[in-house]
Amino acid sequence: NAGVTQTPKFQVLKTGQSMTLQCAQDMNHEYMSWYRQDPGMGLRLIHYSVGAGITDQGEVPNGYNVSRSTTEDFPLRLLSAAPSQTSVYFCASSYLSEQYFGPGTRLTVT
Amino acid sequence: GIQVEQSPPDLILQEGANSTLRCNFSDSVNNLQWFHQNPWGQLINLFYIPSGTKQNGRLSATTVATERYSLLYISSSQTTDSGVYFCAVDSGTYKYIFGTGTRLKVLA
Repeated sequence: NAGVTQTPKFQVLKTGQSMTLQCAQDMNHEYMSWYRQDPGMGLRLIHYSVGAGITDQGEVPNGYNVSRSTTEDFPLRLLSAAPSQTSVYFCASSYLSEQYFGPGTRLTVT
Repeated sequence: GIQVEQSPPDLILQEGANSTLRCNFSDSVNNLQWFHQNPWGQLINLFYIPSGTKQNGRLSATTVATERYSLLYISSSQTTDSGVYFCAVDSGTYKYIFGTGTRLKVLA
């Protein structure tokens, strides 16, 4: 049981490039979410999903897309990276509202 | 939306000391969790506690939902307790709101 996994661990992008952050969980949780954490701050919700085929926006959704085709996977897409998207990204999944977090992806946009 | 405030923002303790961290929230909540973010950035679940009291070893937590606050108690602190402690709340919309955290440093 690997829990919540995220890839890659680190990524450097140039402004305007696109990429997908991967998130997978093997706990059969219906709820999954993406957060970003900026230095000295708490986590802010980007997007979330309450089940396959259902997604919704969180607090800071602009510049990010998500889809949920399976229960296990919840990828986060940056279509045109901007320096303001430099952050640490965490994926989480939930069972009965208790969240479990992945190890994070540190993204730098130059 | 719900506002979450944590206090104190920073705390320095000598090993063996006890501490209380506080989380205030501005509206009623369905879900509340405490997390520890260790110095390597990993987020560790401490408690899922929308109401009542729970204990796990040297840590315990109490949430008084009617008065909109939660407390995290750390007893006999150890250097491994260092890191940032976050409170996160949800009003039932699946949109968790995090506080800005309490940064704890435990000195040997």
